[in-house]
Amino acid sequence: AQSVTQLGSHVSVSEGALVLLRCNYSSSVPPYLFWYVQYPNQGLQLLLKYTSAATLVKGINGFEAEFKKSETSFHLTKPSAHMSDAAEYFCAVSDTGGFKTIFGAGTRLFVKA
Amino acid sequence: SAVISQKPSRDICQRGTSLTIQCQVDSQVTMMFWYRQQPGQSLTLIATANQGSEATYESGFVIDKFPISRPNLTFSTLTVSNMSPEDSSIYLCSVIGTGSTGELFFGEGSRLTVL
Repeated sequence: AQSVTQLGSHVSVSEGALVLLRCNYSSSVPPYLFWYVQYPNQGLQLLLKYTSAATLVKGINGFEAEFKKSETSFHLTKPSAHMSDAAEYFCAVSDTGGFKTIFGAGTRLFVKA
Repeated sequence: SAVISQKPSRDICQRGTSLTIQCQVDSQVTMMFWYRQQPGQSLTLIATANQGSEATYESGFVIDKFPISRPNLTFSTLTVSNMSPEDSSIYLCSVIGTGSTGELFFGEGSRLTVL
């Protein structure tokens, strides 16, 4: 069975500081991994995805994530936080094709001025 | 990409009543997914809706409580029946993007509050 663990339900950073949101996964098959962002009162939108191509994946809004098979991790980073990055972030895993996507519990990112 | 519209965006309902949520997609899709997001929590898949067949429900969800219709390839409805305060959640409609790499596209959600 697949599962996703996001470490830290809340993360607070200062504007301009590094953003690091942690995600570990469990999967019996090569996984598809995703990060989604949810802004207040909105649905989720895709930030980036890993689908067995390059292990370092770049997404929208300056975010990137690195797939590390040995650590079963897919942490999300951004070099410099912006106030507009404040949102809820979800890591997700699926086996193939997204038919059974499992979401992590989410991490709420706060950005301080 | 896919553009998904949901109605209503929010509603306040009385205990014991039922509410139907509509989901319209701007392109034809084989499968549509309905998720529930309880306050402060992650997303849980309720069911997968296929056109021309009955929906497939996940463990813990039943058709009598969450009947789903899928009359064509661009539209689906989810009904939340006999509501209780525990049904207060955001209900999200979703489809898989083209290209089969598995990313999901979501509507903006329907926020239900049951009093």
